[in-house]
Amino acid sequence: DTEVTQTPKHLVMGMTNKKSLKCEQHMGHRAMYWYKQKAKKPPELMFVYSYEKLSINESVPSRFSPECPNSSLLNLHLHALQPEDSALYLCASSIPGQGKGEFFGPGTRLTVL
Amino acid sequence: QQPVQSPQAVILREGEDAVINCSSSKALYSVHWYRQKHGEAPVFLMILLKGGEQKGHEKISASFNEKKQQSSLYLTASQLSYSGTYFCGTETSNTGKLIFGQGTTLQVKP
Repeated sequence: DTEVTQTPKHLVMGMTNKKSLKCEQHMGHRAMYWYKQKAKKPPELMFVYSYEKLSINESVPSRFSPECPNSSLLNLHLHALQPEDSALYLCASSIPGQGKGEFFGPGTRLTVL
Repeated sequence: QQPVQSPQAVILREGEDAVINCSSSKALYSVHWYRQKHGEAPVFLMILLKGGEQKGHEKISASFNEKKQQSSLYLTASQLSYSGTYFCGTETSNTGKLIFGQGTTLQVKP
């Protein structure tokens, strides 16, 4: 299995809702990432997990809460989002610390009303 | 510090060559190159580590000039499938913190 899967593909939520994004990989990668990408812009790093521990938080607002329950799974819990949080949320994975590239999932297109 | 890519956009005919540049004002540990097609996820092309090297991937290759903190992506004999947005991503240390350039849109026409 050489892919990163993400669910759901699309998500529409209100500002008072709580929802979660899910990411899964079975490549044995021990580094996993969340990125946010706005239209016609590059991906922006949000969080990095290395060996299931949060190693980087790029000053992301607390309404985004990451979780890494095991080495294959990464979640992003969403609560009280703002319309400006609407974007494509990409998950990626890699072999940590060995100068290896990142493999991206197809993303979740999030719309906050 | 976001790396700077040039040019912002390129239009080619099939079979033509292109070069995309990526410059950083900081000392780099690595440079990654990705291609993203419209509506799809970025796809990893290659990584270059400090020490200055050149790597090849079929007709796509890249170099990294450590003295100048610059990387270049070379696309030779371009094919229609090469169309998309190319991003360089840079790391200043081996932490997994990748910062992407603003992207270069490449369009290959028949």
